Order: sequence, then structure tokens, then C-alpha cells
Amino acid sequence: ETGVTQTPRHLVMGMTNKKSLKCEQHLGHNAMYWYKQSAKKPLELMFVYNFKEQTENNSVPSRFSPECPNSSHLFLHLHTLQPEDSALYLCASSFLTSGVRDFGPGTRLTVL
Amino acid sequence: GENVEQHPSTLSVQEGDSAVIKCTYSDSASNYFPWYKQELGKRPQLIIDIRSNVGEKKDQRIAVTLNKTAKHFSLHITETQPEDSAVYFCAASGDGGATNKLIFGTGTLLAVQP
Repeated sequence: ETGVTQTPRHLVMGMTNKKSLKCEQHLGHNAMYWYKQSAKKPLELMFVYNFKEQTENNSVPSRFSPECPNSSHLFLHLHTLQPEDSALYLCASSFLTSGVRDFGPGTRLTVL
Repeated sequence: GENVEQHPSTLSVQEGDSAVIKCTYSDSASNYFPWYKQELGKRPQLIIDIRSNVGEKKDQRIAVTLNKTAKHFSLHITETQPEDSAVYFCAASGDGGATNKLIFGTGTLLAVQP
């Protein structure tokens, strides 16, 4: 598959579980992002990685832990989440100065 | 930090009419303003963007205008079609103009009635 892919597409987890979201881009971009999309709220930027180095942590709680092993892969590790963390988590990628152009399909996360 | 306000939150038009969505931003250093379309259950898609060195940009039936003095920008869709129905998001570059740190508006649900 080309573009930005995300797995899993849907995830249901309890508050004590540990899970990871995966994102992969096949576009040769050098920046990757995690966004959170909640109902009736603006898209919230969570993390930015430029050349696999984290450059932005937008006051995200430590129960969300990103990992970027290379410029094509991005993970979001989740542990001890709260029900209010239920949302659509979108990965995106771009070239450094071009703005966000390509989003993944998202992971619909439900925390019970 | 940057704050982006978007209006209206919902917009219903008849097929063939025009639709206008407006956004205001707070940081005068912002220099990049993209618009995204998100259909139900799908990912956001970039549809048009404008940088602060131009006042207007057009791509077929969609256009974006920017007023830097007033700090607002607008999306114009002409000859609307049912397939234009979606949520539209505006965004502005945050953190002093960093194009990869976008601040988004809350979205406008556009419904085009056939």
C-alpha cells in the first residue's frame, strides 16, 4: 500500500492494558506526526518528529509514549489510558517545510 | 500561542450554490494556511493551501483568500456538488510560523442538498 498506513484501524482497551499504534509512510517524507481527533474539537497535534528526532511534545500526558526508529516508521505506545483518551488517532507525514499533506486512515481507539 | 477560530460550524447549501467558510487566527507570524476536507469515516485530505506572500489562490471550483491585516482567511467553493459534502478544516502554522506545527480550526460540516 502506498501513502501513509496505520495499524490497527480499531482498538478497544481497558485502562490497565498496554498497546501500541503503528504508522508507516512510503512517501520519502522526513517528518512524521501524531494527531488526536475528538468529537467537536480541533485536531490536536501531539508529537512531531523531524528526521526521527522529536521536536514537539505538545503537553501530552506521559501515558502516551512515541517512538520513531527511522523516518518511515512511527509508533505510539499506550499504557494506563483514561476513557477520555478515546478518540481517532491520526498519523501524518510531510517534508519538513511543506506542511502536513498526507494523513493516515487513523486508529479508532476506545478506552473502557 | 496560535489560536484558530472557524465559522460556521455547519453550513447547508443547495447544489450549484456557493459556500464560504471563514477562519481567523491570532499569531501575526503565521505564514501558512492549509484547508482540509474530511469525508465521513475517511482521513483528512489537503485540498488547497496559501502562504502569506499571496492574497488569493484558486484551483478549479475552490479558492482561498487571505487578509493578513485582519488575520483572517476564507475558503470559497463555487458550483457546489453533493460530493462536496464533508467536514472542512482550516489550519494556520503555529510556533512563530512553523509549517509543520499546524493549529486547526474546529471544522465546518458542509451539506450540499441535491
